[in-house]
Amino acid sequence: EVQLVESGGGLVQPGGSLRLSCAASGFTFTIYDMSWVRQAPGKGLEWVSAVRANGVDTFYTDSVKGRFSISRDNFKNTLYLQMNSLRAEDTAIYYCAKGLRALGEYWGQGVLVTVSS
Amino acid sequence: DVVMTQSPLSLSVTLGQPASISCRFSQSLVYSDGNTYLNWFQQRPGQSPRRLIYMVSNRDSGVPDRFSGSGSGTDFTLKISRVEAEDVGVYYCMEGTHLYTFGQGTNLEIK
Repeated sequence: EVQLVESGGGLVQPGGSLRLSCAASGFTFTIYDMSWVRQAPGKGLEWVSAVRANGVDTFYTDSVKGRFSISRDNFKNTLYLQMNSLRAEDTAIYYCAKGLRALGEYWGQGVLVTVSS
Repeated sequence: DVVMTQSPLSLSVTLGQPASISCRFSQSLVYSDGNTYLNWFQQRPGQSPRRLIYMVSNRDSGVPDRFSGSGSGTDFTLKISRVEAEDVGVYYCMEGTHLYTFGQGTNLEIK
């Protein structure tokens, strides 16, 4: 059974940092690109970032460039999102998802990040 | 930048009747590898998104055959042949050719 399990969310003050993790199992993690997608409360879906299977090539939406950093550990089958300089507008449920151009065959359950003082 | 228009934003359908959602783009979604990366997702209330269709018309495993995707270039459509109660939720198109952009979402409810 395929599982993507996110962790690391929580409440953080503006300007603070969080690191999200996504533990993958049930498929060959090492050969697939992986993405993070977020959903602000009551809003639609927004692609945030992705990393190629090789872990070298990374991609970001403009609003998080320079603040967020995506990475992966192919030995631990885990995807990460380091989020720095957090803003109120980063408040959202963050999902990890398999893939990039045809992303979303599998999704995690999501983890809530709240940026507030 | 690619401009994406998903319509309608709200849809009220009688059980057993068809439904159709459109996504239109200002630029072609044909990628340099020849593929067209247009995907459709369903998000039921309180759940994670679920992919229904990938690359225009390929139905994901376990997706009922009443869901179908079609289109080419800049115009794409998701059709539900006969709406069932379990289809209530928000539907999103997503392009994976340019900037991995999701549509605004279409809220489907039962009339």
